[in-house]
Amino acid sequence: DTAVSQTPKYLVTQMGNDKSIKCEQNLGHDTMYWYKQDSKKFLKIMFSYNNKELIINETVPNRFSPKSPDKAHLNLHINSLELGDSAVYFCASRPSGVRGETQYFGPGTRLLVL
Amino acid sequence: AQSVTQLDSHVSVSEGTPVLLRCNYSSSYSPSLFWYVQHPNKGLQLLLKYTSAATLVKGINGFEAEFKKSETSFHLTKPSAHMSDAAEYFCVVSDHSGTASKLTFGTGTRLQVTL
Repeated sequence: DTAVSQTPKYLVTQMGNDKSIKCEQNLGHDTMYWYKQDSKKFLKIMFSYNNKELIINETVPNRFSPKSPDKAHLNLHINSLELGDSAVYFCASRPSGVRGETQYFGPGTRLLVL
Repeated sequence: AQSVTQLDSHVSVSEGTPVLLRCNYSSSYSPSLFWYVQHPNKGLQLLLKYTSAATLVKGINGFEAEFKKSETSFHLTKPSAHMSDAAEYFCVVSDHSGTASKLTFGTGTRLQVTL
């Protein structure tokens, strides 16, 4: 029973294409996140949604558009892919309003832009 | 503003010897601190967390960390390394402002375990 799942696991695509990554959590959490891990393994937050509402947007290019159809899902759509978008993208979730509560991460989506 | 500094990008130990991964933090708030582990080509797994209760925190797989406010440190230790501990380790600080909890990651320490 996967708590936070992401599809696809691997994504290889050409520059200029548009692609989506999906995330689902079955933990009943209110808050979900997208993180980007670059080639040097550095992890940085991109977005956060709480109850389908965007609450964190870390100056990510507007080619990246998150969408939360419901509390359990947070998808990431990327337009006009660039070489620099190649990275591992992690989805995470946590219950809101609880101090220090753990964020649970998905397995990651490895995106390679050629 | 908050930040985390992992003092070593790479640590190599022999199997059966102690592990020490160092982390210093900076936070405007009373922080929550975490250690996450990432095995090759895998996701992130929580090892342990500190949230203002006991300063010595025990985690999974024999790891523990001690929160030292005076030194702004949260070093990760294990008495005896195992080959399966080889992985990337991230020290993380949490920002509690507002509804969201934003995690700020350190740059990671790669732990190598040799025979």
